[in-house]
Amino acid sequence: QKEVEQDPGPLSVPEGAIVSLNCTYSNSAFQYFMWYRQYSRKGPELLMYTYSSGNKEDGRFTAQVDKSSKYISLFIRDSQPSDSATYLCAIGTTDSWGKLQFGAGTQVVVTP
Amino acid sequence: ETGVTQSPTHLIKTRGQQVTLRCSSQSGHNTVSWYQQALGQGPQFIFQYYREEENGRGNFPPRFSGLQFPNYSSELNVNALELDDSALYLCASSLPGASVDTQYFGPGTRLTVL
Repeated sequence: QKEVEQDPGPLSVPEGAIVSLNCTYSNSAFQYFMWYRQYSRKGPELLMYTYSSGNKEDGRFTAQVDKSSKYISLFIRDSQPSDSATYLCAIGTTDSWGKLQFGAGTQVVVTP
Repeated sequence: ETGVTQSPTHLIKTRGQQVTLRCSSQSGHNTVSWYQQALGQGPQFIFQYYREEENGRGNFPPRFSGLQFPNYSSELNVNALELDDSALYLCASSLPGASVDTQYFGPGTRLTVL
């Protein structure tokens, strides 16, 4: 069983819709939770990170963590065609600094 | 721009050959992590170097090896290339103890093994 599970999609939504992305993880030792965006043939770009359960908002993006359920989510409001990319969840611990466990990535396509 | 550069951008090798990939970390970052990202998959942790010493390895065989230099540049070497080694190889530089948003990925090197 993988440490981080993520539905690979693809997920196709019309422009303006809310995009909902999810990951589950198996090890309760993980302490920080990140979402990356990756455009085709590029390196991952950090979108959001959080250390705690609850919601964290940044513009059109909301990251949600439920440590009791080992479930993390990313919501993108008012989606734009420029949001079309692969979104990767990643988790880590402060004991293993920089050694991230990634999900498989969800490909998102926002159609005009 | 993240300040992390990788070279070459892409290369093609044949099975059994050896390859060296290079990464230049952001200034002051003494930790570099290498990842392998196969097509359609998330990055998989290969190993990490901290102050020129290996500091943890993922589930990769010994033919994957690395070096980190005093100027914080680093190399990933892969011997006896196999077809399954075809992937995007990413390096990420960071500073332990700093905020997680100070870990930066490079653009990657795309390796194709024929």
